[in-house]
Amino acid sequence: KAGVTQTPRYLIKTRGQQVTLSCSPISGHRSVSWYQQTPGQGLQFLFEYFSETQRNKGNFPGRFSGRQFSNSRSEMNVSTLELGDSALYLCASSIIGRGGVNEQFFGPGTRLTVL
Amino acid sequence: AQSVTQLDSHVSVSEGTPVLLRCNYSSSYSPSLFWYVQHPNKGLQLLLKYTSAATLVKGINGFEAEFKKSETSFHLTKPSAHMSDAAEYFCVVSDMNRDDKIIFGKGTRLHILP
Repeated sequence: KAGVTQTPRYLIKTRGQQVTLSCSPISGHRSVSWYQQTPGQGLQFLFEYFSETQRNKGNFPGRFSGRQFSNSRSEMNVSTLELGDSALYLCASSIIGRGGVNEQFFGPGTRLTVL
Repeated sequence: AQSVTQLDSHVSVSEGTPVLLRCNYSSSYSPSLFWYVQHPNKGLQLLLKYTSAATLVKGINGFEAEFKKSETSFHLTKPSAHMSDAAEYFCVVSDMNRDDKIIFGKGTRLHILP
């Protein structure tokens, strides 16, 4: 079974631009979660999508948004980029998505650098 | 509310000696607990998980963790460290009975000395 894939792997943008990141979950997994990882803040939860609906949301500004398609693929969008948005963005999929017994499977991440 | 605290941001051990990475959690309900490992420039990989079955959980690569409810701890151990264990380790908590977010600890960087 193919793992979670994320594209692109690396991205360089400038302040004020917007960016879209993509995540393809493991086949059969219906939940996709997004995380931001920075040296200072560690791993922070952005949001979770399940069956095309946002089910949970972290404490990020509205510039961060996402969506999920009928095939469970998910995209994350960041508008009006700031220097502080430079981070590794990780996507994780799970079968059902409740934060219980179903562990998450992580993709390799997209490294975003904002100049 | 849930929370998780990894007590050490960095741990250094010599190759062949035991590893102990400490994790304390707070949860209002019956928690599920996980340990993940992240090698440089890689995504996170599940090491092991506790889901209210046996309190001593065995994972991959010789790691294990013990759930101690009285101490609200879920420390990760390995009898003998290997150079390939050098990575960052994350303790994670979530509630089984609530549709709640998964909470990650800040991570512990494990250094293996030759």
